[in-house]
This record gives sequence, structure tokens and C-alpha cells, in this order.
Amino acid sequence: DTAVSQTPKYLVTQMGNDKSIKCEQNLGHDTMYWYKQDSKKFLKIMFSYNNKELIINETVPNRFSPKSPDKAHLNLHINSLELGDSAVYFCASSPPTSKGETQYFGPGTRLLVL
Amino acid sequence: AQKITQTQPGMFVQEKEAVTLDCTYDTSDQSYGLFWYKQPSSGEMIFLIYQGSYDEQNATEGRYSLNFQKARKSANLVISASQLGDSAMYFCAMRDQGGSEKLVFGKGTKLTVNP
Repeated sequence: DTAVSQTPKYLVTQMGNDKSIKCEQNLGHDTMYWYKQDSKKFLKIMFSYNNKELIINETVPNRFSPKSPDKAHLNLHINSLELGDSAVYFCASSPPTSKGETQYFGPGTRLLVL
Repeated sequence: AQKITQTQPGMFVQEKEAVTLDCTYDTSDQSYGLFWYKQPSSGEMIFLIYQGSYDEQNATEGRYSLNFQKARKSANLVISASQLGDSAMYFCAMRDQGGSEKLVFGKGTKLTVNP
């Protein structure tokens, strides 16, 4: 039973297209995140949602729009894809930080923009 | 702002030997958490070990231990009795436990275990 799942796992698309990545967690967590891992393996936070409310937006271009229909889902829509958007996108979720627990990561979505 | 520094881009170790992966951090927060993750070539992020800033004991999880030196702001990961399956990227990360929920990652260390 997957805790954090993402679809699709691989995404190959042309520049200028619009695409979405879906994320679902069945852990009952209130907080969900999107991270981007670039070609040098560097991981950086993009967005964080707590109970469907945006709490972190780390200077991500407006072409990226997260949407949280409910606290178990956090989707990422990307408009007008650019070559530099090629990366691995990880979704994660976590319980309240006061408990000191880890974030649970999805398997990642490998996006290649041609 | 929080910052994580991993100064070893790559490390090599012989099977069955111990290896230490370095991590230093910078924060002005009093309450924070430090994490280590493993990312094998298959790409998933695997949580290894956690250390809270107020924990007095160094964290241990099986063959993994965290050498936490608060005054030096270091949180090195020690892997004992290395196995071939330990070959992977290892990331040190920090989370502010009083406000922002995000994890800040270091650039990672690629560990190769030789037979």
C-alpha cells in the first residue's frame, strides 16, 4: 500500500506544452510539498501546502501552479514548459513538525522537456 | 536562512569498512531537526536517520549513526560495516521545527562501496 504516490512516473513532452503531475498520500498528513531535483541532484523546495492552504512558495515561476483539492492530494500544473524544467519532481507529506518525524517522499516524476 | 553543506562530492569505501559522510549546517534557530536520506540509482528518497537539536544522545538506526556535535554545527552520518547496497547518493537535510515546514538539503555525497 503506497504511502505517497505520484503519476506519471515519466513524462516526456515538447517545449511550450502544458502538463500536470498528480500526488496523493494516504497517511492522513496535513502538510504536502513539491520539491525539484535538478540534473546535479540538488533538491529544492518549491511549494508547501497545509490542509489545502499554500504556506510556502519559493520564488517559483508563475508557470508552475500547485492545486490542492483536498488534504490528501497536491497536484502540480506546469504551463508553457521550458527546457530548464527538465528535472525530477518529488511530492512529499509530513505530520506536524513538532513530532520531529520525517517527510515521506513519493517515487518522483521524471520530466524531460524536448 | 538555513544552510546545509556537504563537502564531499564523492566517497569510496571498501565493503565491510565504516565510512563517515560529513554534514555541517548553519541556522539561527534553537529548535531544528537534522535528517539523512539515501537515494539509490533507482531514484527514490529513503529516510535513514533523524536527530533533534535538543536530543542529548546521538541517533542510531541499525548500521547508521549520527555524530551530532551541536557546538560545531555538524551532523555527520556514520555507516558501519558497509555493504555493496549502500552505494548511493546521501543527502543531509535540515528542518525548522518551529515555523517553516520545508526541508533544506545539502548537495549530496555519492558513496561507492567497493567489493
